[in-house]
Formats: sequence, structure tokens, C-alpha cells
Amino acid sequence: EDQVTQSPEALRLQEGESSSLNCSYTVSGLRGLFWYRQDPGKGPEFLFTLYSAGEEKEKERLKATLTKKESFLHITAPKPEDSATYLCAVNYGGSQGNLIFGKGTKLSVKP
Amino acid sequence: GAVVSQHPSWVICKSGTSVKIECRSLDFQATTMFWYRQFPKQSLMLMATSNEGSKATYEQGVEKDKFLINHASLTLSTLTVTSAHPEDSSFYICSARGHLHEAFFGQGTRLTVV
Repeated sequence: EDQVTQSPEALRLQEGESSSLNCSYTVSGLRGLFWYRQDPGKGPEFLFTLYSAGEEKEKERLKATLTKKESFLHITAPKPEDSATYLCAVNYGGSQGNLIFGKGTKLSVKP
Repeated sequence: GAVVSQHPSWVICKSGTSVKIECRSLDFQATTMFWYRQFPKQSLMLMATSNEGSKATYEQGVEKDKFLINHASLTLSTLTVTSAHPEDSSFYICSARGHLHEAFFGQGTRLTVV
């Protein structure tokens, strides 16, 4: 069964304390791995798309990397405004291009 | 990124009434739109997928007669929750995908059925 697993479920950091979020997947025929940020009561906000192992993308304090089995979202020197739930989703190549979502990692950054 | 507008952002309705939620892609043509439901502290659960001009494909366990989806144009899809009941109260989110692989999400609609 195709699965997407995110860890940890929750992460508390001090401002400036860098860390990484993990997304492991077991889908076959990966056609893209997506990272989203979701604030409470809002829809997910698109961050990155990764297509092949070894690919990296950066945006401000965030950097996403991809291997054949997992993706990492690195957060460098986080700020309180980075607090949110980060969702990972995989396009497994279904006929409709459906995404399988992980359960997310809730990040809290304390000043 | 592309903009997807979802309306309303919240709605309260009486049990037994129907509620329509709109999802519009504002700056691109959405060949495919997805409707999700999200319970508190849970991830997004795909309800159905719709392509413009064709019938929606519903996920297992989702009642097609209760959750009516219309994708009449390349920029608009609607979800109608018919004869809503309190157990239908949830956060509903749409997403739209154009010719690229990225899917962009609407702001979500908080539905409360009383």
C-alpha cells in the first residue's frame, strides 16, 4: 500500500535552532513530492516540488531535499513566524494525478 | 504561485439544508480540481477529483449523492453538501491543478451544521 509518513508529529524549537522534518514514502512511480505549509484554519500553501533523487530547492530559511525513499525539509535559524504545520504529499502517478498526504509535522518556534 | 479562491471561508447552516462551496482558479486554467475534507489535527482526506466537463470521481466511502461536485468550466468547481447534518461539519478544502504538476489550494471553508 502506498504510504507517506512524516516525522516527528510535533517539533518545538527555540528561535534560531535549526532542525529538519522528515517525509518518507513507499509509493511506486513517484511523479513528484510536494511540501506545503498550513496555518490553522487555512488551506495549504505551496512551498516546493521535488521530482528526482538528489534534487534540492530553497526558499528563505527552508531547504527541501529528496532521496529515493524520503525527503527532508531543513529549517535554518527558524523564526516564530515559521510556526505552522508542514505537510508532505506525493503524486504517485494515478490517472488523476492524486496526491497522498502525510499527517504533517506541527512546528512551534519559541522566541 | 497560482491563486485559488474558495468561497465562503465559513458557513453555518441548519440541519437538512444544502450548502454550496465555490472554488475558482484565478490566474490559470485548472484541468483538474480536487476536494478534500480535513478533521481537526488530521491530514487532508481526498473526497473526489473532477475534470472539467466530466463527472467527478469519488473516493471510496464518499457519497456522491450527498456531495455533489460540478466542474463546469476550467476555472470553477463547486461542491454542494446536500441535506447537511452535524456530522458533515468539517473543514473543506479545494485544490486546482493546471498543466503543471503543482496543485494549489484554496483557503478552505469551515462548515458548521447546527
